[in-house]
Amino acid sequence: AQSVAQPEDQVNVAEGNPLTVKCTYSVSGNPYLFWYVQYPNRGLQFLLKYITGDNLVKGSYGFEAEFNKSQTSFHLKKPSALVSDSALYFCAVRDKGYQKVTFGIGTKLQVIP
Amino acid sequence: SQTIHQWPATLVQPVGSPLSLECTVEGTSNPNLYWYRQAAGRGLQLLFYSVGIGQISSEVPQNLSASRPQDRQFILSSKKLLLSDSGFYLCAWSPPGLAGGNEQFFGPGTRLTVL
Repeated sequence: AQSVAQPEDQVNVAEGNPLTVKCTYSVSGNPYLFWYVQYPNRGLQFLLKYITGDNLVKGSYGFEAEFNKSQTSFHLKKPSALVSDSALYFCAVRDKGYQKVTFGIGTKLQVIP
Repeated sequence: SQTIHQWPATLVQPVGSPLSLECTVEGTSNPNLYWYRQAAGRGLQLLFYSVGIGQISSEVPQNLSASRPQDRQFILSSKKLLLSDSGFYLCAWSPPGLAGGNEQFFGPGTRLTVL
C-alpha cells in the first residue's frame, strides 16, 4: 500500500521569504514522488518529480524539493516566494511497479504581499 | 506537443439525469488515462484508469462508469446522477507503461453541479 500526507492545511508566507510545503510518504518499495500545483478552477500542473539520483530536485517556476529517504519526506521549497505562487499544492507518490498514483489532500499556499 | 481536452467545462444537471463527460488526448499514442474527482476543492479521488482500449479499472464502486472506445478518448458516464456526484472532474494522461516515473498531465476539468 502507498500513502502520502500533507500535514499542513494552509501555509502563509510573506512575499520574498522562503517557503516550504511539507510532504511525507509511505510505500512498500521505492517511490516515485511528484509535486503538482493547482490554480482555482483549473487542472493540476506538474512541478517536479523525484525518480532516482540526486536528492535535490529542481522544477518549474523556481521550485525545488528534497527527497529524504530516512525521514520519508519530500518537502517542496522555494527561496523567495511570489504572490503569484499562491495556489493549492499537491504531493503525490507512486510505488515502482504500480500503476496508480496516490495524491495528498493538498496544501493551500498563501503568499502575503 | 500533447494536448488534453475536456468538455463540457461546466454542467448543471438534475438528480436522476444521465451524465456523459468526454476527454480526448492529442499528440500521443496508447496513453494511460485517468478520471479523478475533486470535492470541495481539495483532495483527488481516483475513479477509473485505463491502460488501453477497452481496459478499464474501477477504483471506487459507485454509480459512475467509464469507457475507452478509442485510443485517446476516455468517457465518464452515469445513468442516474446523485447529489453526491457533484464535484470537479479531472481527466489526466501519462505515457504508456510503468517505467520512468512518468508524471500525469491534467485537463482543465469539468465542474458538475447536481441539483
